[in-house]
Amino acid sequence: NAGVTQTPKFQVLKTGQSMTLQCAQDMNHNSMYWYRQDPGMGLRLIYYSASEGTTDKGEVPNGYNVSRLNKREFSLRLESAAPSQTSVYFCASSATRGEANNYGYTFGSGTRLTVV
Amino acid sequence: GENVEQHPSTLSVQEGDSAVIKCTYSDSASNYFPWYKQELGKGPQLIIDIRSNVGEKKDQRIAVTLNKTAKHFSLHITETQPEDSAVYFCAAPLGFRNDMRFGAGTRLTVKP
Repeated sequence: NAGVTQTPKFQVLKTGQSMTLQCAQDMNHNSMYWYRQDPGMGLRLIYYSASEGTTDKGEVPNGYNVSRLNKREFSLRLESAAPSQTSVYFCASSATRGEANNYGYTFGSGTRLTVV
Repeated sequence: GENVEQHPSTLSVQEGDSAVIKCTYSDSASNYFPWYKQELGKGPQLIIDIRSNVGEKKDQRIAVTLNKTAKHFSLHITETQPEDSAVYFCAAPLGFRNDMRFGAGTRLTVKP
């Protein structure tokens, strides 16, 4: 089925450990995003990539890095995990504004990350 | 930057009643307004969207209305069913960028 695939689905890290969250889409979308979701705070943008080879910071980029490996894949890396990064992380993709009338997101199923 | 406010934060209705969720935005350059439904343990799913050159759009039991002058848009669900119970998010693009700012969400409960 076409869509956005995220791995892993669950992860527990110790403070200071590093990890990479993987995301891949097969809808030929140019734009990809990483959001975090915390109770009562909705979805907040960490980083996004408007096209292959470009990345930009969102609202809450501190403590994260991203790589747009190719058109399909966009990874999120936590270099030194902190308890404040405990959250649910969602990857999404969309058509690019200007290329399509409607550029709503397709979201992955999320990664639930706990940092202890 | 764009500010998106969503109300109410929780909404409880009886099965068969209507539900209305409202969002306001601040950036007059915003031209596309999607609504997402998130079920427990899943990612948000796009359910309906509207562009700024249209005042209303319907899809079966759901509709979205847009008031550009007042900078608000609303989700309307008629004849609610228990399976409509979920968290609903509105969103609006940040200026002329591609990324979006989301509202804080509305938890809708439909009582059978």
